[in-house]
Amino acid sequence: DGGITQSPKYLFRKEGQNVTLSCEQNLNHDAMYWYRQDPGQGLRLIYYSQIVNDFQKGDIAEGYSVSREKKESFPLTVTSAQKNPTAFYLCASSIGETRGNQPQHFGDGTRLSIL
Amino acid sequence: AQSVTQLDSHVSVSEGTPVLLRCNYSSSYSPSLFWYVQHPNKGLQLLLKYTSAATLVKGINGFEAEFKKSETSFHLTKPSAHMSDAAEYFCVVRRMDSSYKLIFGSGTRLLVRP
Repeated sequence: DGGITQSPKYLFRKEGQNVTLSCEQNLNHDAMYWYRQDPGQGLRLIYYSQIVNDFQKGDIAEGYSVSREKKESFPLTVTSAQKNPTAFYLCASSIGETRGNQPQHFGDGTRLSIL
Repeated sequence: AQSVTQLDSHVSVSEGTPVLLRCNYSSSYSPSLFWYVQHPNKGLQLLLKYTSAATLVKGINGFEAEFKKSETSFHLTKPSAHMSDAAEYFCVVRRMDSSYKLIFGSGTRLLVRP
């Protein structure tokens, strides 16, 4: 079945440590996204990538980094510069487009907590 | 600027009764609108999308939404709630400055009582 796989499901970070969240998709989608979700709030865009080897900052990129070396993979690194990293992180993908109503498809998320 | 407002943070209904989740949007252009559902500790699943082809949009699991331009609304409805409908629902509008960016409402948590 085609879909988006996020791993791990739960992740714990120590102070001053960088951690990397994995996101893999087999939908052959060009565009991929990372969102952060906090309790009682909607999703906020961290980074997105429209094509391999290219990515753009979203609304809350500070303290995060990404890479897009392969079409199917879009890992997110939460760096020690992110002072409040505890959140639920969601990865999504969509068909690359400049117009239209193609939806984004989501993975099941990674819950990151601080030890 | 575009925005989306979900008017209720929590909605509680009895099983078998109608569901109404309210969403108002703000957009200078004809918007692209979506409703997503999220079950606990899961990702978001698309319920339906507004494509401008029809104002009444039918989605999965018996949900539908009506686009009303005069009221700038896109409310989600279902005739009869099931226990499995208990989840968080998000109204979403696509940003006009980039087809890759979405604006999410703050969500409405639906509770279904037996």
